[in-house]
Amino acid sequence: AQKVTQAQTEISVVEKEDVTLDCVYETRDTTYYLFWYKQPPSGELVFLIRRNSFDEQNEISGRYSWNFQKSTSSFNFTITASQVVDSAVYFCALSEAGLNTGTASKLTFGTGTRLQVTL
Amino acid sequence: NAGVTQTPKFQVLKTGQSMTLQCAQDMNHEYMSWYRQDPGMGLRLIHYSVGAGITDQGEVPNGYNVSRSTTEDFPLRLLSAAPSQTSVYFCASSDFDRGLLFFGSGTQLSVL
Repeated sequence: AQKVTQAQTEISVVEKEDVTLDCVYETRDTTYYLFWYKQPPSGELVFLIRRNSFDEQNEISGRYSWNFQKSTSSFNFTITASQVVDSAVYFCALSEAGLNTGTASKLTFGTGTRLQVTL
Repeated sequence: NAGVTQTPKFQVLKTGQSMTLQCAQDMNHEYMSWYRQDPGMGLRLIHYSVGAGITDQGEVPNGYNVSRSTTEDFPLRLLSAAPSQTSVYFCASSDFDRGLLFFGSGTQLSVL
């Protein structure tokens, strides 16, 4: 069975601080996908990134970066120079591979980390 | 550019009532699914469908029914609502080629 653990329930930072959200996963599959979604106070779910298990390269997108380490089964998310607009709940998720059967779309979510960025 | 549309946005039910949460997508996606979001529990998969006429259970299917008569629509039925079904419900769709899940805006359901 798959499992995603986000041990940090809530994090508070002051604007411009860097913050890292942790994600640890468990799966018996050798091929899988990892995701991060953002849920702002308005409630919608915003896709941030998807990585497949073959690609361990770190990714940077503006102030966001992701560190994928298969050796520790972690897929951590760092926000550099945080801003108030980053305040949201962030979910890490995992799916099997197998695009042709739709299994890649069956996501197992972590419980989320609420990030509060204050001035 | 509608994407995934859920209705209603808010609903209050009494215990024992039935209702259907509607979900429609206009992206011709094969895959559709329903999740519920509860405080401290993240999102959990209720039911999913890999195409018209094909549905399957997710992690928490009890108390819910689904059907998929068309590619576009995937309604979620509560036959006899219970307070334990108070939650926020999200519908999602994706295509098999990209495997990216697009979510609707959610339905907040309260069962009294």
